[in-house]
Order: sequence, then structure tokens, then C-alpha cells
Amino acid sequence: AQSVSQHNHHVILSEAASLELGCNYSYGGTVNLFWYVQYPGQHLQLLLKYFSGDPLVKGIKGFEAEFIKSKFSFNLRKPSVQWSDTAEYFCAVSPERYGNNRLAFGKGNQVVVIP
Amino acid sequence: GAVVSQHPSWVICKSGTSVKIECRSLDFQATTMFWYRQFPKQSLMLMATSNEGSKATYEQGVEKDKFLINHASLTLSTLTVTSAHPEDSSFYICSARGTGYNSPLHFGNGTRLTVT
Repeated sequence: AQSVSQHNHHVILSEAASLELGCNYSYGGTVNLFWYVQYPGQHLQLLLKYFSGDPLVKGIKGFEAEFIKSKFSFNLRKPSVQWSDTAEYFCAVSPERYGNNRLAFGKGNQVVVIP
Repeated sequence: GAVVSQHPSWVICKSGTSVKIECRSLDFQATTMFWYRQFPKQSLMLMATSNEGSKATYEQGVEKDKFLINHASLTLSTLTVTSAHPEDSSFYICSARGTGYNSPLHFGNGTRLTVT
């Protein structure tokens, strides 16, 4: 079964700072990769996903993630955060043959952006 | 956008009783629904996958007799925690997907279950 590691569970940064959240997965085959975001009081929403093609994926709200196969990583980045980016971010992985089913999630990163 | 409503948002029950959690797709037909569980400071763990009109597929280690899943219509799936015990206290989240194998998942807001 696949597993996902996210480090630095709590991240606090100021507006305009750059954000990078690490995600490493463990699985012996090809995977689909996802980042989800959960704003305070809201449900999980898809931020971006990687199925194939260009390993640099651009998502909503200025976020991007890069799939580095050799490192089993799918780190999330945003060059300049805003207060509204305060949320919890989850990396998720699913074996390729399952599409976006059978998701395995990381523990999440709680990000707080200080105005 | 597509909305998934999960009810109740929180519930407290006594040990030995059963609790039913509902997951409804409000504006689309959900051919597949997923149930997850999240313990404090842990990741979401997939419990089971249910397809409308079929028996649910449970992940390894999840007791199907304890966590009864019904997906009788294209807009409603229910998770019943039978004979709940304190160790079942957790955060339960559903997600729903429309037709199309890779169509987007839409998540409910979750249900906080506390068993006393």
C-alpha cells in the first residue's frame, strides 16, 4: 500500500513570504499525486493534481507543485503567500490504475499566514 | 460547484449504541462515494468505497460488520457505526464522485463522533 509523509506540520509565515511544503510518498509503482486544501470551517478542495506529462503542475490560487520521480516527492510551492492562504494542506497519492480512488493522505500541514 | 452535505457535523453517543452518518450529493449524481476516518494528528485513512447499488469495498483492517455502508441511491450514502465504543471516536469524512473514473472528488465537511 502507498504511504505519504508530510513534514513540518505547523508552518507560520508572514504575508509575501514564499511557501514550500514537502511531500514524499512510498509506493512501488506509478502513482497519481494530489494536493488538497482545507480552509477553516470548509471542506477539502483540490488544489492541483498530477497524472502524467509535465512534472511541474500549476494549480489554483498561484500554487504549483513539482513531481520528482527519483525523489518520490511532490512538493507544493507558492512564491508569495497571502493571509487567505491560511489553511491545512494535504498531500495525497493514489496508484495510477485507480485514478483518484484509493487515496492515501499525509497528515497535513497547518499553515498560518500572518498579515 | 458540486456540493456534498454530511450530517450530522458532530455527534456524541453512549458506548454500545449505533450511530448513522449521512453523506448527500446535493447537485450531482454520485456513482461512487468514499468514507474516510481521521484520528487526532493522523492522516485521513480510506475506510471503504461504495458504488451505488453495490456492496461496499472495505479497506484492509476495517470491519465491515461494524461500519455498515449503504449507498442505495445516487445521492445518498450512509455509514452506520454499530455498537460504538470509545475507540471508534474519530472524525469521519465522506467524498463523492460523479460519473467518469477520474471525475473530481467532492468532500463533505466531516462528522466528529465521540463515544462516551
